[in-house]
Amino acid sequence: EAGVAQSPRYKIIEKRQSVAFWCNPISGHATLYWYQQILGQGPKLLIQFQNNGVVDDSQLPKDRFSAERLKGVDSTLKIQPAKLEDSAVYLCASSNGGEQYFGPGTRLTVT
Amino acid sequence: QKEVEQNSGPLSVPEGAIASLNCTYSDRGSQSFFWYRQYSGKSPELIMFIYSNGDKEDGRFTAQLNKASQYVSLLIRDSQPSDSATYLCAVNVSDNNDMRFGAGTRLTVKP
Repeated sequence: EAGVAQSPRYKIIEKRQSVAFWCNPISGHATLYWYQQILGQGPKLLIQFQNNGVVDDSQLPKDRFSAERLKGVDSTLKIQPAKLEDSAVYLCASSNGGEQYFGPGTRLTVT
Repeated sequence: QKEVEQNSGPLSVPEGAIASLNCTYSDRGSQSFFWYRQYSGKSPELIMFIYSNGDKEDGRFTAQLNKASQYVSLLIRDSQPSDSATYLCAVNVSDNNDMRFGAGTRLTVKP
């Protein structure tokens, strides 16, 4: 069984630029999560999808972050415009009601 | 008050000793509790979950849950250098499998 795929693995941008991350969950997993993990902290949930509907986006900074999950499979997370404090690892995870499986993450550096 | 709190460490134990990791949570209605291990530069991987009060053992790992005290712990017996990692406590805070993570405890097992 293939795991959660994410791309790119690394991204360096300047502040005020935009960036997008892609996630492909494990086949058949209805729930998809995006987390932000700042160095030295635990993952922080940004948004949770159930199929293609949003379940929880209470911690998503909606003035600059957006996410979509078209057709209930792949998902993209976008930041526009980026700030220095957005430097973090962005983790995608998927589940089918139980354990969450994490992808390798995208390390974003904003300069 | 943070939803999930852990001692950040670092916790250092000698090889062969028992490592004890602790976690408290604020939502008394939480029902599911997880321990993830995260090696430096890698994504979190699930090592234990527990739903009921008491102890749950899996190999060298024992998770302990006390819902009345809102306390979860992880014991690692016969600690090995390969156990050196950050251990994340995670708690489901709703029926939607909405996970909240602690900041993690960094464990070092010295040969």
